Amino acid sequence: EDQVTQSPEALRLQEGESSSLNCSYTVSGLRGLFWYRQDPGKGPEFLFTLYSAGEEKEKERLKATLTKKESFLHITAPKPEDSATYLCALRKGSARQLTFGSGTQLTVLP
Amino acid sequence: GAGVSQSPRYKVAKRGQDVALRCDPISGHVSLFWYQQALGQGPEFLTYFQNEAQLDKSGLPSDRFFAERPEGSVSTLKIQRTQQEDSAVYLCASSLAGRTYEQYFGPGTRLTVT
Repeated sequence: EDQVTQSPEALRLQEGESSSLNCSYTVSGLRGLFWYRQDPGKGPEFLFTLYSAGEEKEKERLKATLTKKESFLHITAPKPEDSATYLCALRKGSARQLTFGSGTQLTVLP
Repeated sequence: GAGVSQSPRYKVAKRGQDVALRCDPISGHVSLFWYQQALGQGPEFLTYFQNEAQLDKSGLPSDRFFAERPEGSVSTLKIQRTQQEDSAVYLCASSLAGRTYEQYFGPGTRLTVT
């Protein structure tokens, strides 16, 4: 059965303290791995798409990487405004929909 | 430009009532998705439209759930005879044709069934 597992469930960082969020997956026919950010009371906001092992994408303080079994979202020198829930999702085969993990709730303290 | 909008933002229904949730996708987006998000969980797929055609409804949890998009733009998710387990945030997302991987989400409708 296809699975997307995110860890940790919650993470508290001091401002400037870099860290990584993990998304491990088991799926046949991966067609893309996606990272979204979700703020309270809002819908998920698209961040990155990764398609193949070894691929990396960067945006401001965020960098996403992909291996054959997992993806990491690295946060460098985070700021309080980076506080949010980060969701990992995948698309497989011919399916159009995304399969989401349960998210990592990130809190960055000033 | 305008993003995906959903209405109402909050809905309280008594068990057994019918509800209708509306989604206005981004103009020009032919693909439309509905997801259900329980508290503390990621969104779970319900159904997918391309224009007015419902191409996948495999995620609808029961025959009480029904979705339509009659003119290929606005979509409505209807839940009949609501149950407490239907309480969740219902998210709508849209995307361009050929770019269904890049989905833009609305703010969601929080449904509480009492």
